[in-house]
Amino acid sequence: KQEVTQIPAALSVPEGENLVLNCSFTDSAIYNLQWFRQDPGKGLTSLLLIQSSQREQTSGRLNASLDKSSGRSTLYIAASQPGDSATYLCAVRRLYNQGGKLIFGQGTELSVKP
Amino acid sequence: KAGVTQTPRYLIKTRGQQVTLSCSPISGHRSVSWYQQTPGQGLQFLFEYFSETQRNKGNFPGRFSGRQFSNSRSEMNVSTLELGDSALYLCASSNGQAQETQYFGPGTRLLVL
Repeated sequence: KQEVTQIPAALSVPEGENLVLNCSFTDSAIYNLQWFRQDPGKGLTSLLLIQSSQREQTSGRLNASLDKSSGRSTLYIAASQPGDSATYLCAVRRLYNQGGKLIFGQGTELSVKP
Repeated sequence: KAGVTQTPRYLIKTRGQQVTLSCSPISGHRSVSWYQQTPGQGLQFLFEYFSETQRNKGNFPGRFSGRQFSNSRSEMNVSTLELGDSALYLCASSNGQAQETQYFGPGTRLLVL
């Protein structure tokens, strides 16, 4: 059974700091991995999608990497800003036809202090 | 393009009642998935509909059901509500291809008293 874990559960950093969020999964037979952001009481905003054949994806100050063999992904946020404060979730889609089914981690709650 | 919309945004029900939630996907998307989010269990997959057919189902009791219409809009129904059904219900849409991004709506917050 696929399990997704995110460490740490919460993180507080000063503005301007570079930071790394971690995501690990137990079954390497994944189709892709997606990082989301969720603001309090709101829906999810997709940040980056990494296919299983890719090693990393970049969007602006965000860079996500994927190491399928070790079951790990990281989300790197450069020059953090207070507006980056949110909960960050990673989710994996299993290799075989699972359609829309994503398996989520519990998230990392990020607070960026001015 | 308009995003995924969900109605209603907030709902208060009492135990034993039933509720219907609605989700309108992004125009052109044929897949709609539903998720339940609670503080204790996090985000859990309920089911997915693709071209009016249920394609995948999570591990929820039969009280949770859904359907999809020909215009890809989807509804989720929960019968005989329990206190534990209080949650944020999110739907997501995509073209239905495994390699594609899923786009989430703002959610419906359900409170069961």
